Order: sequence, then C-alpha cells, then structure tokens
Amino acid sequence: AQTVTQSQPEMSVQEAETVTLSCTYDTSESDYYLFWYKQPPSRQMILVIRQEAYKQQNATENRFSVNFQKAAKSFSLKISDSQLGDAAMYFCAYRRAGNTPLVFGKGTRLSVIA
Amino acid sequence: SAVISQKPSRDICQRGTSLTIQCQVDSQVTMMFWYRQQPGQSLTLIATANQGSEATYESGFVIDKFPISRPNLTFSTLTVSNMSPEDSSIYLCSVGLGGTNEKLFFGSGTQLSVL
Repeated sequence: AQTVTQSQPEMSVQEAETVTLSCTYDTSESDYYLFWYKQPPSRQMILVIRQEAYKQQNATENRFSVNFQKAAKSFSLKISDSQLGDAAMYFCAYRRAGNTPLVFGKGTRLSVIA
Repeated sequence: SAVISQKPSRDICQRGTSLTIQCQVDSQVTMMFWYRQQPGQSLTLIATANQGSEATYESGFVIDKFPISRPNLTFSTLTVSNMSPEDSSIYLCSVGLGGTNEKLFFGSGTQLSVL
C-alpha cells in the first residue's frame, strides 16, 4: 500500500522569508502524481501544486515550487516570500495513475509570523 | 477547475439520528470520492462512488453506516447513519478532472457535530 509521510507537524516562517515543507512517500508504482494541498481554517482543500512522476522538471506555481526526488521518493514544497495568507495546514498527497483517490500525509501546520 | 457544491456546510445532530450530505458538481465526472477528516487529523477515504454501481468502501467503513448514492454523473450523497459523538468530523467530497482525471478538487466540506 502507498504511504505518505510528513515528518514536520508544525513549522513557522517569518513573513517574506522562505520555508520548505518535507514529504516522503512509498510506492511500487512507476506512474503516479504528487500533490500539495492547503487547508486554511475555512476547511476548504485548495490545490497548491501538482507533479507528474514521469516529469523530471520540478513543478512551479508562482511563489510555490517543489523539489521532486523520484529515486529518494521525496517531494518537498518550497514557499518563497511567505505571506500571512499562507498560514494553513499543508497536506502532501499521492495518487497513482488512473481514476484513483488521494492518499494523504498527516499534514504540516504552517504559521507565518509578521 | 470544477464548481463543487456541498451541503450542508455544517450541522449539529443528536445521537442516533442520520444526516445526508449532498455533493453537486457542475460537470460530469466518473468517480466521486468521499473523505472523512476527524478533528486535527488528516483526510481518510471512506468510499469511491461510481455512477451506476455500488460504492466501494475502504477498510473500516461499511455501507450500513455510510450509505452512498450516485444517481447520475454530477451528483452524490453520503449518509452518516445512527450517529454517535465519534462521527463528529468534517466530511468532504472530491472529484477528478483533467484529461486523465489527474487533478482532484474538493467540495467545501461539511462540519458535523454529534451531541
């Protein structure tokens, strides 16, 4: 079974600084997707960024980027120029190819300090 | 992206009663997924709902407790039956979109409290 591990229950960052959230996963599949979701207090799950396993290039979405290390099964999220609105729970998630559900890590609570 | 309308957004229920949660999508989707998020926890898959067939439940979840309907390609319901305080959670529906359904989007969630 696939598993996703987030080893940092909580992280904090100063406003305008950079923070990296860690995620590792375990799978025997070769075709899969990795995601980072943000969940603010409103409880809405917001897709932050997505990475296809077959792509070597790391995904980037504005201030958000990932460091995807397929051999190490590592998928970290870097948030640059952190803003107060970035404060939320961040979930790393895995999904094998096909119409399949997500498998989530336990989450990392990010605080942004003004 | 998709517009996913989930109702109710929150409810407070008495022990022993049932609540039905609705999920409406603005486009046709093959699979819909139902998740539970217990307080302070991550999301756990309850079941996968495919239109025209019985839902597939994950270990620890049974149809008698969480019956699911999927009458068409844009709508699904999840019922939480014979509720107890342990059922107090956020319940979320999710759908896959994109050419290969590679993007998963979520409804806004239902915050359920059972007294």
